[in-house]
Amino acid sequence: EVQLVESGGGLVQPGGSLRLSCAASGFTFSGYWMSWVRRAPGKGLEWVANIKQDGSEKYYGESVKGRFTISRDNAKNSLYLQMNSLSAEDTAVYYCARENEWRDYWGQGTLVTVSS
Amino acid sequence: QPVLTQSSSASASLGSSVKLTCTLSSGHSNYIIAWHQQQPGKAPRYLMKLEGSGSYNKGSGVPDRFSGSSSGADRYLTISNLQFEDEADYYCETWDSNSWFFGGGTKLTVL
Repeated sequence: EVQLVESGGGLVQPGGSLRLSCAASGFTFSGYWMSWVRRAPGKGLEWVANIKQDGSEKYYGESVKGRFTISRDNAKNSLYLQMNSLSAEDTAVYYCARENEWRDYWGQGTLVTVSS
Repeated sequence: QPVLTQSSSASASLGSSVKLTCTLSSGHSNYIIAWHQQQPGKAPRYLMKLEGSGSYNKGSGVPDRFSGSSSGADRYLTISNLQFEDEADYYCETWDSNSWFFGGGTKLTVL
């Protein structure tokens, strides 16, 4: 059974940093692109970033480019999102998802709240 | 870049059918999309991939009540025999030039 479990969310002050993790199981993690998608309160889904199987290609949404960094450790079956220079607009539930042409499995999400 | 337009809300009665629409912007009418469902408080769930031809492939475990179709720039998600658990937000999504784009989502209420 495919499982994606996010962690690392919490309350952070504006301008601060946070690192999210996603632990994957039930499939060959190194065989898939992976991505982060977020949903801000009262808003819809927004693609954040994705990363190729070997980490050689990474792409970012315009709103996070230059501030967020996606990475992965295939030996640990883990996906990460380093988030810097956070602002209130980054407050959202962050979901980890597997890409199999399309985003076919999603985690339960981790809440990030940016507030003073 | 493609823009996907969805109605903000829809409603239908228990046991009836509903057809949700996702419209692709000009110049992108042949794009393949995916439909996702997000029930309240839950993770999104992949429903299907839908081509401009109307051909669709559903995700694992998606009930037969869910189907897809297309007409021009419009992509449809039809849910038959509506159940209360179908009350959710529905999103369409597409891809272009290494970026992903979501529609604004449709909130479906089952009456």
